[in-house]
Amino acid sequence: ELKVEQNPLFLSMQEGKNYTIYCNYSTTSDRLYWYRQDPGKSLESLFVLLSNGAVKQEGRLMASLDTKARLSTLHITAAVHDLSATYFCAVDDYDSNYQLIWGAGTKLIIKP
Amino acid sequence: EAGVAQSPRYKIIEKRQSVAFWCNPISGHATLYWYQQILGQGPKLLIQFQNNGVVDDSQLPKDRFSAERLKGVDSTLKIQPAKLEDSAVYLCASSLIRDGPYEQYFGPGTRLTVT
Repeated sequence: ELKVEQNPLFLSMQEGKNYTIYCNYSTTSDRLYWYRQDPGKSLESLFVLLSNGAVKQEGRLMASLDTKARLSTLHITAAVHDLSATYFCAVDDYDSNYQLIWGAGTKLIIKP
Repeated sequence: EAGVAQSPRYKIIEKRQSVAFWCNPISGHATLYWYQQILGQGPKLLIQFQNNGVVDDSQLPKDRFSAERLKGVDSTLKIQPAKLEDSAVYLCASSLIRDGPYEQYFGPGTRLTVT
């Protein structure tokens, strides 16, 4: 059974700082997705990572995938308040009709 | 391009009542998903459709939940009778094809409160 673990689950940081959210998964997969969810809102797709070594960047966010280590990272550079949200990673489970298996989410609070 | 539409946005019912949610996916998206998201948790897949056929409903509580996708487009999810633990946000998502590396696009969700 594919399991996805995110850490930390909660992160409070100051504006201007850098930090990384980690997403580990338990079985082979080479497709990983990062989503953002604002309070009371739906899920917004941020990144789709499709192969080992994939790196994608959008503004102050950069995501990478290491399929050998079964690890993805979401790096935040010089955080700003607008990035406060909950971030989820999800992994394609080839053994279960390509369902997405979701992490528990990382709640990120960025203080001015 | 219009996104995934859901209605209603909010619903409050008493336990043992019934409720139905509606979803219209992005045009051309063959795969449709219904998720349940309890506050503070990640989404939990309830049912997955490919066109108008069910791909996976292993986590759907079939004694009280039902879903259909007639004509392979719109979908409805019903709960009858509702329990207190059904209070959650119900999210509908769609993707272009099932076997491709395409991300899922989510609707705004329906927030259900069961009292």
